[in-house]
Amino acid sequence: SAVISQKPSRDICQRGTSLTIQCQVDSQVTMMFWYRQQPGQSLTLIATANQGSEATYESGFVIDKFPISRPNLTFSTLTVSNMSPEDSSIYLCSAQAAGVGEKLFFGSGTQLSVL
Amino acid sequence: QKEVEQNSGPLSVPEGAIASLNCTYSDRVSQSFFWYRQYSGKSPELIMSIYSNGDKEDGRFTAQLNKASQYVSLLIRDSQPSDSATYLCAVIGFRAGNMLTFGGGTRLMVKP
Repeated sequence: SAVISQKPSRDICQRGTSLTIQCQVDSQVTMMFWYRQQPGQSLTLIATANQGSEATYESGFVIDKFPISRPNLTFSTLTVSNMSPEDSSIYLCSAQAAGVGEKLFFGSGTQLSVL
Repeated sequence: QKEVEQNSGPLSVPEGAIASLNCTYSDRVSQSFFWYRQYSGKSPELIMSIYSNGDKEDGRFTAQLNKASQYVSLLIRDSQPSDSATYLCAVIGFRAGNMLTFGGGTRLMVKP
């Protein structure tokens, strides 16, 4: 399995500010994804982080609000921009590791609260 | 119709009993199926994967897949209070490429 380090683990932010979440995987991975999980809900895919090119966003998510970088195979960042209280959620980095098929592993998550 | 459906629960079982968690999916050509366990405040943890019809056992966990009925289940034998968590079913379907689609999760409560 892949070990995924995600930071920060939690943050409390003011409305209108931005937060960048970092995700580091301990081995080369084929795919990296960012999910959001709102309280009491299941996981919603935000985007696929593509190495060296623009991320692929799901319906309802846009690059201006959630810019994503993936400069290499093992690292990605998600920025939550111009935050509002509706962005309060858990954000999860995930990866599909090479050699273990399509299994998806998750980082520990970032609990974001926006005041 | 949701692509992956689960009963939200809570499913309450006494300690030592068998917990049965069910999941149905809509994409008939789905290929890969996963069960994740998520404790409150934690991230999902992969506990089982299954790719072909039938049963797959791993310790106290058994995953069952029936592609004709578009149904996948997870049985937990000898349930323990530490099994109390939300269980997420996830499916990789033809339409979704290589990405997982998650169900809403079933909350399991194992009572001592």
